[in-house]
Amino acid sequence: EAQVTQNPRYLITVTGKKLTVTCSQNMNHEYMSWYRQDPGLGLRQIYYSMNVEVTDKGDVPEGYKVSRKEKRNFPLILESPSPNQTSLYFCASSFIYDAGYGYTFGSGTRLTVV
Amino acid sequence: ILNVEQSPQSLHVQEGDSTNFTCSFPSSNFYALHWYRWETAKSPEALFVMTLNGDEKKKGRISATLNTKEGYSYLYIKGSQPEDSATYLCASSSSNSGYALNFGKGTSLLVTP
Repeated sequence: EAQVTQNPRYLITVTGKKLTVTCSQNMNHEYMSWYRQDPGLGLRQIYYSMNVEVTDKGDVPEGYKVSRKEKRNFPLILESPSPNQTSLYFCASSFIYDAGYGYTFGSGTRLTVV
Repeated sequence: ILNVEQSPQSLHVQEGDSTNFTCSFPSSNFYALHWYRWETAKSPEALFVMTLNGDEKKKGRISATLNTKEGYSYLYIKGSQPEDSATYLCASSSSNSGYALNFGKGTSLLVTP
C-alpha cells in the first residue's frame, strides 16, 4: 500500500531532550516536507526536500533540523525541544512538480513538550 | 510568504443543501492549486490538483473551479451529506518558492441530518 509512515503518533517529552520524528514513504517520491498544525494558524511548512541531499527552509524552520540521506526517509529532528514546539506535525510527500496527484500525508505526530 | 485565504472559516448546513467555499491565492508565478479534505483525527487527503486557468474538476458530488488570472478557486458540494463533514484545505504553489505548497486555514464544514 502506498503510504507515508510517521512515528511516533504521540510523544510527550521534556524541554531540552533531543528527539527525532521519523517519516518514510514507499512511493519513490522526490519531494518531502514537514508541516506543523496549530489552532487558528493552519498548516505551516517547516522544511522541505526536493531530492536526496537537497533540503530547504520553509516558513517556520527555527528549532528544527532535517536530513535527506535516502530518498524514502525524511526525519525531523528537534535538538532542544521547547514548549512552543508543542504541536501536531505532518510529513507529506509527492512527485516533484506534483504531476497532478497532490501530496500524500502521514498520519501525524502529536508532540507535547513540558 | 504567500498568503492563501479561505472563506468562510466555518459553515453549518443541513443534509441535502448545496454549498461552496472560496479560496484566494497570489496569482503571480502561479504553479498549482490543491484542495484537500481533512477529517478529524485523520490526515489530509487530496481532492483536486489544478494548474490551468479555467480548469474544472469533479469527483462525485464535489467539484472545483480555478481562475489563475484573478487568483481564486471555488469548491462546490452538491447535496451535502453528514459524511462530507470535514475541514477543506486549499493550498497553492508558485514557481518562485520552490513549488512548496502554502496552505490556507481551511473551511470547517458541518452537515447535520
